[in-house]
Amino acid sequence: QGQLVESGGGVVQPGGSLRLSCAGSGLIFSTYGMYWVRQAPGKGPEWVALISYDGWNEYYAASVKGRFTISRDNSKNMLFLQMDSLRDDDTALYYCAKDDRPGWGGAFEIWGQGTMVTVSS
Amino acid sequence: YLVTQPPSVSVAPGKTATITCGGDSIGIKNVHWYQQKAGQAPVAVMSHGGDRPSGIPERFSGSKSGNTATLTIGRVEAGDEADYYCQVWDTNSDSYVFGTGTKVTVL
Repeated sequence: QGQLVESGGGVVQPGGSLRLSCAGSGLIFSTYGMYWVRQAPGKGPEWVALISYDGWNEYYAASVKGRFTISRDNSKNMLFLQMDSLRDDDTALYYCAKDDRPGWGGAFEIWGQGTMVTVSS
Repeated sequence: YLVTQPPSVSVAPGKTATITCGGDSIGIKNVHWYQQKAGQAPVAVMSHGGDRPSGIPERFSGSKSGNTATLTIGRVEAGDEADYYCQVWDTNSDSYVFGTGTKVTVL
């Protein structure tokens, strides 16, 4: 069924930047929408961003629009999230996930185990 | 787009748990359900309203109509104890929305 592995999390000061990566293996990466989802400690999941299979379409949650950028490299089965102007409330475990059908709007069929981002001075 | 769930549902082993998800015209939207156990990533247990992903027991079923979507867990087992979240793709705002979550406790 495949696997997703996130990396790049860490501790960053408010206003700083961080780039998350997600490596896919054992799955057909290039024909599915991909997502970033975050979950603050003790809270429910929050969708962050999606990118279409070809990278042409991107959508963002209102809370991150203008600060975060999603991208992908299908030749390397990689998904990225560039996070700029980070704020305290961006502190969360960040997951990448894969759609269950070509396109987007579907269920998040495969999830990684997450990478933790902590924004603190 | 707002999606609401009851905070908690308690059910005895072997009985049926019903979890609701309320939202405006949710019956015509893509609705998915996730199970999340402590310290683990969410797992899809129902997609597109009523499709069961591979590996999910037949005890799990889903439906949607009007302003309510429902996840039903039949013959509940201790291992079903978890947080459950519904998720909607809102075409009006081109965004996903997660429900507030329901904690299922097996008595």
